[in-house]
Amino acid sequence: GQNIDQPTEMTATEGAIVQINCTYQTSGFNGLFWYQQHAGEAPTFLSYNVLDGLEEKGRFSSFLSRSKGYSYLLLKELQMKDSASYLCALMDSNYQLIWGAGTKLIIKP
Amino acid sequence: NAGVTQTPKFRVLKTGQSMTLLCAQDMNHEYMYWYRQDPGMGLRLIHYSVGEGTTAKGEVPDGYNVSRLNKREFSLRLESAAPSQTSVYFCASSLRDPHEQYFGPGTRLTVT
Repeated sequence: GQNIDQPTEMTATEGAIVQINCTYQTSGFNGLFWYQQHAGEAPTFLSYNVLDGLEEKGRFSSFLSRSKGYSYLLLKELQMKDSASYLCALMDSNYQLIWGAGTKLIIKP
Repeated sequence: NAGVTQTPKFRVLKTGQSMTLLCAQDMNHEYMYWYRQDPGMGLRLIHYSVGEGTTAKGEVPDGYNVSRLNKREFSLRLESAAPSQTSVYFCASSLRDPHEQYFGPGTRLTVT
């Protein structure tokens, strides 16, 4: 079967860096997505990794290691508006997304 | 360009009542999806469509029916609502797979 794990909640300070980890187990893999979801709103796309390595997009970067079943989302220069839930989602062999429960990130001044 | 829209935004139903949730996208996307989101759990796929006239079951299809009315519109129907269907329902669309999915604002449904 498939399983995705990510921490339930993390706290960080404005201006700092935070890394949100996601580990997964799957029999088929077609990529890993990260989405951001502010409270009461819809998820919005942040990144997609299908090959090993780091993808950088402004203040946000995402890393994938397929052999370890591991990904992380790195957020730099944290701003108060980054307070949100971050969702890790695995695309399986049927091209369906399997979602983690999300990591709620709290930013403190 | 509205993206993905959903109606209604909120609804309260009594057990046994029926309702239809409507979703429309104006991005010319082929693929459309219905998810539910419950506290402490990841999004779960209910049904999806890979093109006009097609539908397929996702992870949690029981108690729900869908129709891909045309390329733009995808509806989700609860024939006889149950309290276990209290949830936030999101519609999403994508150009193809694998590709990012664009989400609508959600429908908050309570079944009493």
